Amino acid sequence: EDQVTQSPEALRLQEGESSSLNCSYTVSGLRGLFWYRQDPGKGPEFLFTLYSAGEEKEKERLKATLTKKESFLHITAPKPEDSATYLCAVTGAGSYQLTFGKGTKLSVIP
Amino acid sequence: DSGVTQTPKHLITATGQRVTLRCSPRSGDLSVYWYQQSLDQGLQFLIQYYNGEERAKGNILERFSAQQFPDLHSELNLSSLELGDSALYFCASSADYYNEQFFGPGTRLTVL
Repeated sequence: EDQVTQSPEALRLQEGESSSLNCSYTVSGLRGLFWYRQDPGKGPEFLFTLYSAGEEKEKERLKATLTKKESFLHITAPKPEDSATYLCAVTGAGSYQLTFGKGTKLSVIP
Repeated sequence: DSGVTQTPKHLITATGQRVTLRCSPRSGDLSVYWYQQSLDQGLQFLIQYYNGEERAKGNILERFSAQQFPDLHSELNLSSLELGDSALYFCASSADYYNEQFFGPGTRLTVL
């Protein structure tokens, strides 16, 4: 059974204070690892897909990296508008569904 | 805007009732997925359809059912509703089962 664990559960940062969110996963034959951003009461917004260890992707202040056991979402010089819950999900070989972690709630204080 | 639409946005109903949630996928996407999100459980996969056929089932109760129509829109039917069914229900779509999924804005169901 695929499993995803995200840490920390919550993170408060001062504006401009860089940090990283962690996503540890267990999956049989990783087909893809996905990062989403979710604002309260809204649907998850797709950010990145990573397919193999060593892969990196960037978008504005966000950078996602992947190893064989975990993924990191690095946030550089965050702004208050980056405040949201960040979700990590995986899909494995033979699976048609995403298995989500419970998310990291990020608060960026001005 | 992901291109996935869901109606209604909010639904308030009583225990024992039946409701239908509707989803239209992004143009060109053949796969539709349904998820339930509650405060304590996070996002839970319910069911997937691909081009009109059921492809995978997750933690979907027997009281719940879904279908995908020839125009590719999908409906999730929830019956004999219980208080614990109150949650956000999301629909997502993708080009195929291994692609990234794009989520709709959700339907907030409240069962009183």
